[in-house]
Amino acid sequence: AQSVTQPDIHITVSEGASLELRCNYSYGATPYLFWYVQSPGQGLQLLLKYFSGDTLVQGIKGFEAEFKRSQSSFNLRKPSVHWSDAAEYFCAVDSQTGANNLFFGTGTRLTVIP
Amino acid sequence: KAGVTQTPRYLIKTRGQQVTLSCSPISGHRSVSWYQQTPGQGLQFLFEYFSETQRNKGNFPGRFSGRQFSNSRSEMNVSTLELGDSALYLCASSLGGSSGGSDTQYFGPGTRLTVL
Repeated sequence: AQSVTQPDIHITVSEGASLELRCNYSYGATPYLFWYVQSPGQGLQLLLKYFSGDTLVQGIKGFEAEFKRSQSSFNLRKPSVHWSDAAEYFCAVDSQTGANNLFFGTGTRLTVIP
Repeated sequence: KAGVTQTPRYLIKTRGQQVTLSCSPISGHRSVSWYQQTPGQGLQFLFEYFSETQRNKGNFPGRFSGRQFSNSRSEMNVSTLELGDSALYLCASSLGGSSGGSDTQYFGPGTRLTVL
């Protein structure tokens, strides 16, 4: 069965510092991987996705993620965090091609301190 | 293009009542999925509709149902509400119909349901 693990429940970083949010997945076939961000009281906004090809994917707001098959990981990174990045971040995997049935991790809450 | 819209945004009901939530997908999108988000269980898939047919279903009781109309708009219904149904209900739309995967879901703002 597929699953997604986000080991960090809460991360605090200083504004301007670099950020890495961890995501590990368990899935038998080639995964379709996503990172979404959710601000308080809001829906989910897609940051980036990986379907195939280049394992380093660029997203919106200066985020990037790297797919590492050998480590079953899809970590999210940003070189310099802005105060507006404070939110909850969710990693997700699609259960099968075209199923539109996302399995989500439990999320990582990011706090940014000035 | 307008994004995914959900109505109402907030709803308060009492136990035993039923509720209907509405979702309008992005223009041209034919697939609509519903998710429940709670602090305890996180984000969980409810079901997906494509071309007016339920194509996938999550592990929720039969009290949770949905439908999709010919214009791709979707509704979900929860009957005999329980306290545990209090949650943020998110709708997501995508192009759908892809046999080779690579479909991306775009989420609406959600409907916050409180059951008293």
